[in-house]
Amino acid sequence: DQQVKQNSPSLSVQEGRISILNCDYTNSMFDYFLWYKKYPAEGPTFLISISSIKDKNEDGRFTVFLNKSAKHLSLHIVPSQPGDSAVYFCAASKDNFNKFYFGSGTKLNVKP
Amino acid sequence: SAVISQKPSRDICQRGTSLTIQCQVDSQVTMMFWYRQQPGQSLTLIATANQGSEATYESGFVIDKFPISRPNLTFSTLTVSNMSPEDSSIYLCSVVGQPNTEAFFGQGTRLTVV
Repeated sequence: DQQVKQNSPSLSVQEGRISILNCDYTNSMFDYFLWYKKYPAEGPTFLISISSIKDKNEDGRFTVFLNKSAKHLSLHIVPSQPGDSAVYFCAASKDNFNKFYFGSGTKLNVKP
Repeated sequence: SAVISQKPSRDICQRGTSLTIQCQVDSQVTMMFWYRQQPGQSLTLIATANQGSEATYESGFVIDKFPISRPNLTFSTLTVSNMSPEDSSIYLCSVVGQPNTEAFFGQGTRLTVV
C-alpha cells in the first residue's frame, strides 16, 4: 500500500509559467516532507522540504505548500525554466527522519 | 552535504548470478539506506545498513536475497543475489546526516538482468 502518491505521471508547462506538482499521503504520522528532482542517469537531488508544523516554505522560485487536513502537499515553481525539466518526487518521513517514503514521481517538461 | 560514490553505475547480468554494489561516502554518516526504483515506480526502501550489525530489512525484502554489509561509517555494499529479470531496477544508496535534514543519494546503479 503506497503511503505517498503522485497521481500525475507527467506535466507540461510553458517556460515562464507556473508549474504545480501535487502529492497526497495517507499516513497522518508523517511529520517531514521533501521534494526531490531527478535527471536521467543521476540520483535524486534534494530541492526543498517542509515540516508538519508549517504550511508553507519558500526557496527562490520553489515553494512547497502543506495542507495537513487534506494530507496534501504541492510544489510550485515560478517562473518555470527549461532546466527544470526532470522527474520530481515527493517524499515523507516519520520516526526521526530515518525512513523516507516516496511517491512515484511526476515528469515535468518545461517547453521553451 | 554528503558526496556519495556508487559503483558500478550500470551493469548487465545473467540470471542466476549475483552483483555487489558499492557505496562510498566522503564523510562519516550515521544512517545509510538502500533503495530500489523499478521502472515507472517510486523509490522503495530495501533496508537500513547498520554499522557493525545486521541490516534492518523492510517488508518484502530478505537478507538472503539482498545481503548488506556496512563495515564502517563511510562504506556499504548491497548484493543482489540469484538475480532474475524482475530484479532489473535502479538501486540507490542514500545517507542521512543530522536529524531534521534531507537524505542524499548516490547516482544509482542501473541493473539489467537478462
